[in-house]
Amino acid sequence: DIQMTQSPASLSASLGETVTIECRASEDIYNGLAWYQQKPGKSPQLLIYNANSLHTGVPSRFSGSGSGTQYSLKINSLQSEDVASYFCQQYYDYPYTFGAGTKLELK
Amino acid sequence: QVQLQQSGAELVKPGSSVKISCKASGYTFTSYDMHWIKQQPGNGLEWIGWIYPGNGNTKYNQKFNGKATLTADKSSSTAYMQLSSLTSEDSAVYFCARGNYVYFDYWGQGVMVTVSS
Repeated sequence: DIQMTQSPASLSASLGETVTIECRASEDIYNGLAWYQQKPGKSPQLLIYNANSLHTGVPSRFSGSGSGTQYSLKINSLQSEDVASYFCQQYYDYPYTFGAGTKLELK
Repeated sequence: QVQLQQSGAELVKPGSSVKISCKASGYTFTSYDMHWIKQQPGNGLEWIGWIYPGNGNTKYNQKFNGKATLTADKSSSTAYMQLSSLTSEDSAVYFCARGNYVYFDYWGQGVMVTVSS
């Protein structure tokens, strides 16, 4: 199975700040990567697919980048509604696997 | 708008089975895979498998072979997942999610399954 290592596990940032979350795959996943946001008690919501494509309706302050085994999610100008957990997921190969998540809090 | 409405929370006994549902609306049910994902507190997300309602084809994570069985009813646009031989390790929230190609663009609200005697 492809292992997805996500960092950091938790992150504290101020409103208006830019934050970056990293995800490393155990092998090349050829941009087969998605990012999801999950708020407490809710289901995950798709943010980014194919490593860098913004899902419909997602604010443009979210962006994804990377290639090979290294990927990142960047949130520009952090808003209070961005407090959530974030997960990466690879869909290059079966079984699809997720990162352990990053919990983002406000400082 | 796309909606996935899942059935309610379940409290079940060890060794038993449970079948949870996911009713789809707002799109052509038979044209998209339906995926199922497990989430345990502190254990992140695990992909269980998918079913293509158009022809009933399925694909499972080997870890869930024999544990999960995916079915779909085209007449009611509802996908189902049956979990068998339940143990405490199966206590979790289970989500259905529509597969758009290979990523999950819409999710159900989740079903909490608690396995306890």
